[in-house]
Amino acid sequence: GAVVSQHPSWVICKSGTSVKIECRSLDFQATTMFWYRQFPKQSLMLMATSNEGSKATYEQGVEKDKFLINHASLTLSTLTVTSAHPEDSSFYICSAREGTGLRFGQGTRLTVV
Amino acid sequence: GQNIDQPTEMTATEGAIVQINCTYQTSGFNGLFWYQQHAGEAPTFLSYNVLDGLEEKGRFSSFLSRSKGYSYLLLKELQMKDSASYLCAVSNTGKLIFGQGTTLQVKP
Repeated sequence: GAVVSQHPSWVICKSGTSVKIECRSLDFQATTMFWYRQFPKQSLMLMATSNEGSKATYEQGVEKDKFLINHASLTLSTLTVTSAHPEDSSFYICSAREGTGLRFGQGTRLTVV
Repeated sequence: GQNIDQPTEMTATEGAIVQINCTYQTSGFNGLFWYQQHAGEAPTFLSYNVLDGLEEKGRFSSFLSRSKGYSYLLLKELQMKDSASYLCAVSNTGKLIFGQGTTLQVKP
């Protein structure tokens, strides 16, 4: 079946630095990918829809200048958390559409210290 | 607006049956999904309903009533490994919107 690979699985960074998370569709082409964020014991909150070759569509309340999304090819979308702060610490999960549903990457645990 | 409601927590006994309910009010509807998520891991697909009725897949079944904005996930013959969060999600305009999730604890 379709596989979505997300990297890194976990990252610790210093406050004020930027972190890039990659999401790849390994055996299929994904024109659309979705980025979610999940705080402890909460559900997945959609941050943005990443569209290949065009600008991402951000959900209300998500700062597009802070969470930079690039979808330069049909198999790769990246999320860059710029000037990270401790409140950005969370579990970030990407997904790609597979048929009528979504296939998720394994997630990235970001800790900002 | 979008509103998807599930109970926050449930507890059940190993070998028993449990039903997790989900009600939704969304501006559009293209199907309802159930996902399972273990702590620290990504969600995994369980079921998909787009028409009214019951979909059965092994120990798991999912029901949908579009007129009532209601779905449930039925888990039979519970096993300890079924302890996880269960997420109800509605597909709307190409996006999946998730409920807050139900944490199920299976006890011996």
